Amino acid sequence: AQKVTQAQTEISVVEKEDVTLDCVYETRDTTYYLFWYKQPPSGELVFLIRRNSFDEQNEISGRYSWNFQKSTSSFNFTITASQVVDSAVYFCALYNAGNMLTFGGGTRLMVKP
Amino acid sequence: GAGVSQSPSNKVTEKGKDVELRCDPISGHTALYWYRQSLGQGLEFLIYFQGNSAPDKSGLPSDRFSAERTGGSVSTLTIQRTQQEDSAVYLCASSLGAGSYEQYFGPGTRLTVT
Repeated sequence: AQKVTQAQTEISVVEKEDVTLDCVYETRDTTYYLFWYKQPPSGELVFLIRRNSFDEQNEISGRYSWNFQKSTSSFNFTITASQVVDSAVYFCALYNAGNMLTFGGGTRLMVKP
Repeated sequence: GAGVSQSPSNKVTEKGKDVELRCDPISGHTALYWYRQSLGQGLEFLIYFQGNSAPDKSGLPSDRFSAERTGGSVSTLTIQRTQQEDSAVYLCASSLGAGSYEQYFGPGTRLTVT
């Protein structure tokens, strides 16, 4: 069985602060994929990133960066210089041979001006 | 191009009635997924289609739930004899194929059972 845990249910920051969203996963598979999705107030889940279990290189995309560490089964997401538009619920998810995404409980990020 | 579309966007129904929710995936995407998002349960996987076949129905919560996909495109999720606990947002996603491809989600159908 697989499991994804996002221990932070809500985070509140002031604009321009950096914020890290934690994600810890459990799986017995050696091949798996990790995802982050954003769910803004409009409700639609927006794909942000996919990483496979063989690639532990960190990734940066603009103000977003992701840190994947197999040793700690973590795939954390950092937003640098946060903006009000970053306010959303962020979901970490795990995909393996079961052909489905297993989602964490989500972290609600509130960025205040 | 067009994304995943779902209809209706909102549905209010009385307990005991049947409902049908529709999903139109991105053109060319062969895999289609249904998920449910509710306050108490988070995001749960319901069923997955590769083409028209559904190799994995393990996520369907009861035999009142069924889904079909025709022509490798549009899918319908049917809930019979709805119960209040069925109230949730039902999300559909599609991807290029079964496997690790990223899944693209539709806007969802908010179902309220009164």
